[in-house]
Amino acid sequence: QVQLQPWGAGLLKPSETLSLTCAGYAGSFSGYYWSWIRQPPGKGLEWIGEINHSGSTNYSPSLKSRVTISVDTPKNQFSLKLTSVTAADTAVYYCARGTYYYDSSGFLRRDPIDQWGQGTLVAVSS
Amino acid sequence: QAVLTQPSSLSASPGASASLTCTLRSDINVGPYSIYWYQQKPGSPPHYLLKYKSHSDSQQGSGVPSRFSGSKDASANAGILLISGLQSEDEADYYCLIWHNNAWVFGGGTKLTVL
Repeated sequence: QVQLQPWGAGLLKPSETLSLTCAGYAGSFSGYYWSWIRQPPGKGLEWIGEINHSGSTNYSPSLKSRVTISVDTPKNQFSLKLTSVTAADTAVYYCARGTYYYDSSGFLRRDPIDQWGQGTLVAVSS
Repeated sequence: QAVLTQPSSLSASPGASASLTCTLRSDINVGPYSIYWYQQKPGSPPHYLLKYKSHSDSQQGSGVPSRFSGSKDASANAGILLISGLQSEDEADYYCLIWHNNAWVFGGGTKLTVL
């Protein structure tokens, strides 16, 4: 079982920047994409963005203007920054591992997000 | 209109089967997409159940019982998670997921009640 644990400040004020780091994966970091996903209390899942070991990122269009995801491959860590937070950003934030493969034509194809960390609650309140 | 639409709730009896749908927006054809399904119980992260793209391209998550299976309904433009032989432990929220336009997109989730 993959051990992914996000950590960072759990209480923010509006307009501050949310910063989380995910660590704990003991295997090869380079064979996967690493995602941030959030879940507001009592609501559904929202994908925030992802990064691979070389720093290639994809972001949710709805959050792209406020999100930066970075990676520290030697430390097997990746991080999330979300600027200008509001109460709507209050959520449990998960880090997760995503897979991929190359098809018969050599194209990279995404495959499931197959392992999730426990998540951490980040609350935004004045 | 949301990319993926799931019914908010579904109830079924123990021992029965439950069919959970994930409908793609009308401008997105379900045919080429892999649909991924997740189960989430209160206080826990989601757990990967399975992938379904076609009969020949499907994958069961590690340790997931065979009574969880996937399919598609092309006429409804939807992915389907079928849970047979329902057990009380299957009561949970279920989410579908696709990779669309270089982004992961979740459905809104279905709360399955087993009663």
